[in-house]
Amino acid sequence: AQKVTQAQTEISVVEKEDVTLDCVYETRDTTYYLFWYKQPPSGELVFLIRRNSFDEQNEISGRYSWNFQKSTSSFNFTITASQVVDSAVYFCALSGSSGSSASKIIFGSGTRLSIRP
Amino acid sequence: NAGVTQTPKFRILKIGQSMTLQCTQDMNHNYMYWYRQDPGMGLKLIYYSVGAGITDKGEVPNGYNVSRSTTEDFPLRLELAAPSQTSVYFCASSYGLSSGNTIYFGEGSWLTVV
Repeated sequence: AQKVTQAQTEISVVEKEDVTLDCVYETRDTTYYLFWYKQPPSGELVFLIRRNSFDEQNEISGRYSWNFQKSTSSFNFTITASQVVDSAVYFCALSGSSGSSASKIIFGSGTRLSIRP
Repeated sequence: NAGVTQTPKFRILKIGQSMTLQCTQDMNHNYMYWYRQDPGMGLKLIYYSVGAGITDKGEVPNGYNVSRSTTEDFPLRLELAAPSQTSVYFCASSYGLSSGNTIYFGEGSWLTVV
């Protein structure tokens, strides 16, 4: 069975601080795909990144960076110099590559991030 | 530039009533999904479909039914609504996750059962 754990329910930081959102996953598939989505207060789901299990390179996109560590089954997300507009719920998600797990994304419970001015 | 379209956006149902949430996508995606998001919680997969005529249960299918007669449409039927079905429902679609793609979500449908 596949599982995604986001142990941090809520995080609150002051603007311009760096913040890391943790994501730990479980899967039996040797090939799998990890995702991060953002859900701002308006409620829509915004795709941020997709990572394939066979590509362990970390990724940076502006103030956002992602650290994929297969050895610890983690796919953490860091926001550098946070801004108030980063306030949202962030979801980590997992999709497998075999059988029914290849057809769907399983989501973690989310981390609510609040950036205080 | 429609993407995934869900209707209605808001609905209040009485206990025991039935309704259908409509979902249509114009991206010719084979895969379609229904998720629910309870207040302050993550998304749970209700049903999904890998193509017209094929549907399968997700994590929380009880109390719901789906059909997929066309590539574009994937309606979700609630029979005998219960307060536990108060939630935000998201429809989504994809070309297929193992081929470098991701899921595209609709804007959500807010359902309250009273």
